[in-house]
Amino acid sequence: SQTIHQWPATLVQPVGSPLSLECTVEGTSNPNLYWYRQAAGRGLQLLFYSVGIGQISSEVPQNLSASRPQDRQFILSSKKLLLSDSGFYLCAWSSISQGEQYFGPGTRLTVT
Amino acid sequence: AQKVTQAQTEISVVEKEDVTLDCVYETRDTTYYLFWYKQPPSGELVFLIRRNSFDEQNEISGRYSWNFQKSTSSFNFTITASQVVDSAVYFCALSNQAGTALIFGKGTTLSVSS
Repeated sequence: SQTIHQWPATLVQPVGSPLSLECTVEGTSNPNLYWYRQAAGRGLQLLFYSVGIGQISSEVPQNLSASRPQDRQFILSSKKLLLSDSGFYLCAWSSISQGEQYFGPGTRLTVT
Repeated sequence: AQKVTQAQTEISVVEKEDVTLDCVYETRDTTYYLFWYKQPPSGELVFLIRRNSFDEQNEISGRYSWNFQKSTSSFNFTITASQVVDSAVYFCALSNQAGTALIFGKGTTLSVSS
């Protein structure tokens, strides 16, 4: 069966510090991968998605970036965090043929 | 443009009551997919159901049932005999192609009290 991992689970970072969130998927090959952010008020916003290694599409211009160095690894980064980057970050995967996405446990980021 | 509207922000019911969560969608595509997800207090989104645009059959899974009506662009979710464990935020979502990004509604917070 497939599983998706995210770490860390929680993170408190000062403004201006760098960020690296990692997501890995097990039990499947060539998944589509996604990063979402859920700010207070619970709306989910798609940040990035990837259909393959090195292929990243950005949905919202911001100071965040994403990379996919391996087939089942997806990384969300920032060089300098802003207060507005606080939120709940969720990674998800889907297969090419199926529409549903399966989500990881999420990372709760607080920028102070 | 694609859009999902969940007009009910919060719903409170007492255990054993039936409750329906509304979802209205907008899309110009003739082929699309609709989803429901549950987000319990732990935060992880749990996939509940996917429905393809060409399949308007309603579906029942235990206490859960879904009513898909293309004529009104709605995909409503009913929980029968609600339980405290059903308390969560429920999201409706839409995509125009398998394997692409989901457009989420803002969610409905369901509180079930004993």
